[in-house]
Amino acid sequence: RKEVEQDPGPFNVPEGATVAFNCTYSNSASQSFFWYRQDCRKEPKLLMSVYSSGNEDGRFTAQLNRASQYISLLIRDSKLSDSATYLCVVNYRTGRRALTFGSGTRLQVQP
Amino acid sequence: EPEVTQTPSHQVTQMGQEVILRCVPISNHLYFYWYRQILGQKVEFLVSFYNNEISEKSEIFDDQFSVERPDGSNFTLKIRSTKLEDSAMYFCASTVAGLADTQYFGPGTRLTVL
Repeated sequence: RKEVEQDPGPFNVPEGATVAFNCTYSNSASQSFFWYRQDCRKEPKLLMSVYSSGNEDGRFTAQLNRASQYISLLIRDSKLSDSATYLCVVNYRTGRRALTFGSGTRLQVQP
Repeated sequence: EPEVTQTPSHQVTQMGQEVILRCVPISNHLYFYWYRQILGQKVEFLVSFYNNEISEKSEIFDDQFSVERPDGSNFTLKIRSTKLEDSAMYFCASTVAGLADTQYFGPGTRLTVL
């Protein structure tokens, strides 16, 4: 089983749509959770950290369900500039700082 | 805003040659990392470095790879004898400290092994 699993997409949505991405992780000891965004042939950039209580940053809302080992990202009012690959990223406990990445979900927002 | 920088942006080399990829982490950061991303695949952890020594490495990081912080600013990844399968984007990242701290990624070096 993959450590961090995501639907690869692509998700093709019109501007203004709401889109949700899901992610599952296999290691129940995982400690920190993130969503990164990666544009084509560029570096991953942190979109937001994901907290147990859920958190929101403008049009973006992240949720974490530790019992189900499930993370989600909701994007409201999609913009053309949101087109990118969204990476679910996990940092495991026990002093390990290496990030474990999912393969990413590609989003294409269309005019 | 401080950023991680990497040079070169693209490196082309022949199989069997040695390459050195360079990174300048953000100046007050203490932990440094190398990741790689083969085209079309996920980002994979290679190695982390703290206090002038490797703190963790993945199974990818075999004897062909080494890292060094030769001075107070640079952090390098050396591949001793490149293979075709080493062709990938190599990202350097750094973080201040702590497990949950944000890792800031550099723009990457595209390595092409012919």
